[in-house]
Amino acid sequence: EAQVTQNPRYLITVTGKKLTVTCSQNMNHEYMSWYRQDPGLGLRQIYYSMNVEVTDKGDVPEGYKVSRKEKRNFPLILESPSPNQTSLYFCASSLVGGPLNTQYFGPGTRLTVL
Amino acid sequence: KQEVTQIPAALSVPEGENLVLNCSFTDSAIYNLQWFRQDPGKGLTSLLLIQSSQREQTSGRLNASLDKSSGRSTLYIAASQPGDSATYLCAVPGSSNSGYALNFGKGTSLLVTP
Repeated sequence: EAQVTQNPRYLITVTGKKLTVTCSQNMNHEYMSWYRQDPGLGLRQIYYSMNVEVTDKGDVPEGYKVSRKEKRNFPLILESPSPNQTSLYFCASSLVGGPLNTQYFGPGTRLTVL
Repeated sequence: KQEVTQIPAALSVPEGENLVLNCSFTDSAIYNLQWFRQDPGKGLTSLLLIQSSQREQTSGRLNASLDKSSGRSTLYIAASQPGDSATYLCAVPGSSNSGYALNFGKGTSLLVTP
């Protein structure tokens, strides 16, 4: 089954404790991205990757890091999480061209930073 | 700066009713427009993607139209069912800082009552 998977689905952590949210897709998509969704603010892009070893900032990249060492994986790293990073996070992928093509989203990771 | 607006924010209808969800955007120079469905605890599912050269796109009971000149798109749901209850989001490519992001509206929360 074609899908985007994220782990963990739920995470409660404390300020400053480094964490990684994994994202993997099995559709051989070149483009992958991370969004966060907050009440009243909607979905905003954090980082995106056009292909392996190619990443760039989205609208709200502060406090986050990403890497794209393999085509299928695009982990999101929070080196020193803060309470304002409490949010619902989504990973998405698509064929080359990114938002010019149909986007496939993962199930989301609900993160709480205390 | 592209702004995407969805009205109404919430809608409740009895089962069987036909309904229309609205999406407007400020910059008519869009490449395409996508409609998504978001269920609680789940990710976003792409419903329809309309290219800028198209006027409408259909999938089952769903029909999406696009009028670029007026900056509007509508999602028509025929013979609504309780299983259609979800939040519906529209999105266009391009955001304030990222040309490779989707710019989302804040969604219409739909409740179909039996």
